[in-house]
Amino acid sequence: GIQVEQSPPDLILQEGANSTLRCNFSDSVNNLQWFHQNPWGQLINLFYIPSGTKQNGRLSATTVATERYSLLYISSSQTTDSGVYFCAVYTGGFKTIFGAGTRLFVKA
Amino acid sequence: DGGITQSPKYLFRKEGQNVTLSCEQNLNHDAMYWYRQDPGQGLRLIYYSQIVNDFQKGDIAEGYSVSREKKESFPLTVTSAQKNPTAFYLCASSRGEAGGYTFGSGTRLTVV
Repeated sequence: GIQVEQSPPDLILQEGANSTLRCNFSDSVNNLQWFHQNPWGQLINLFYIPSGTKQNGRLSATTVATERYSLLYISSSQTTDSGVYFCAVYTGGFKTIFGAGTRLFVKA
Repeated sequence: DGGITQSPKYLFRKEGQNVTLSCEQNLNHDAMYWYRQDPGQGLRLIYYSQIVNDFQKGDIAEGYSVSREKKESFPLTVTSAQKNPTAFYLCASSRGEAGGYTFGSGTRLTVV
């Protein structure tokens, strides 16, 4: 089946720093989503992005489907950005595959 | 406000017991899902349901059962056949099959 790999696995930032999280996938996908899981476990959908670039405040995402990767950019990070960021790819038939996540800690 | 409600937040199970986790949504979504998350790992699909009275096994369905008698509700039963049930369980729903998920806040199950 399709493989979804996220990097880096862990990331520590000073508040105010910028970062880029990467998601590679091994086959063509119908759709791709980025989620943020807060320290209490709640998952929030950040972007629904099969291709192209989207921006939402300090966050933006780019998916290059032909090269099988997606990037999530976090600018001017804040302590509330801490948590785990998941990339999830939709492969058809109600099956969505999640990567293992990037654990982000933003220090004050 | 529309959303997904999971209950309870924390659940303790004795060995050999069956327990049921509740998931209710008022988003009018057709599809609902159950995922399992182990520490430091991603989410794995247990079961999903496209419509009422229909559900399909996901990647790790052994030891679990579900029902979908109402559009709003998709309870998950963790049976005694599930040998390692301690995990964080997340319920989700979507309008169609291509994602756009809304997640509940999760149930943390511990075997004692």
